[in-house]
Amino acid sequence: EVQLVESGGGLVQPGGSLRLSCAASGFNFSDYWMHWVRQPPGKGLMWVSRIDVNGTSSVYADSLKGRFAISRDNTNNTLYLQMSNLRADDTAVYYCARDVREVGATDYWGQGTVVTVSS
Amino acid sequence: DIRMTQSPSSLSASVGDRVTITCRASQTFGNFLNWYQQKPGNAPNLLVYAASTLQSGVPSRFSGSGSGTNFTLTISCLQPEDFATYYCQQSSNIPFTFGPGTKID
Repeated sequence: EVQLVESGGGLVQPGGSLRLSCAASGFNFSDYWMHWVRQPPGKGLMWVSRIDVNGTSSVYADSLKGRFAISRDNTNNTLYLQMSNLRADDTAVYYCARDVREVGATDYWGQGTVVTVSS
Repeated sequence: DIRMTQSPSSLSASVGDRVTITCRASQTFGNFLNWYQQKPGNAPNLLVYAASTLQSGVPSRFSGSGSGTNFTLTISCLQPEDFATYYCQQSSNIPFTFGPGTKID
């Protein structure tokens, strides 16, 4: 069974940093591109970032470039999102998701981890 | 960036209704158009990808169509479990972008 389990969310002050993790199991993690998507409270979905199978190519939403960094550890089947200089509008549920064979759609999602940026 | 719009933003429907949701893009792209269903408190669930390919395990009452800048998601016979919010997403151009959602209640 495919499982994605996010962790690392929490309350952080504006300007602070946080690293999210996503533990993958039930599939060959190193064969799949992976994504992060976020959802502010009561709002819609926003795509954040995608990384290729080797971790050598990554892309980001324009507004997050320079502050967010996606990475992966294929040995330990884990996806990461390093977030820095956090702002109040980064408050959201953050989901990791598996790519459908490089189509860009995402077929399996984690349950999400909540990030709250507030003083 | 490609901007995605959806109509309607919400609709009231009854079990057994045929429901159609429209998604429009601000520019033409390849048919990398995906549809998701999301229920409160849950992660989104992929229904259709590449405009018309039904994701494995999704009931056949769901179907997707369209090309260019205009796409539709149709639910042929609404079931009680289909009351949810639906999002379209383009995955052709970076950054990938979602529509604002359509809530069926």
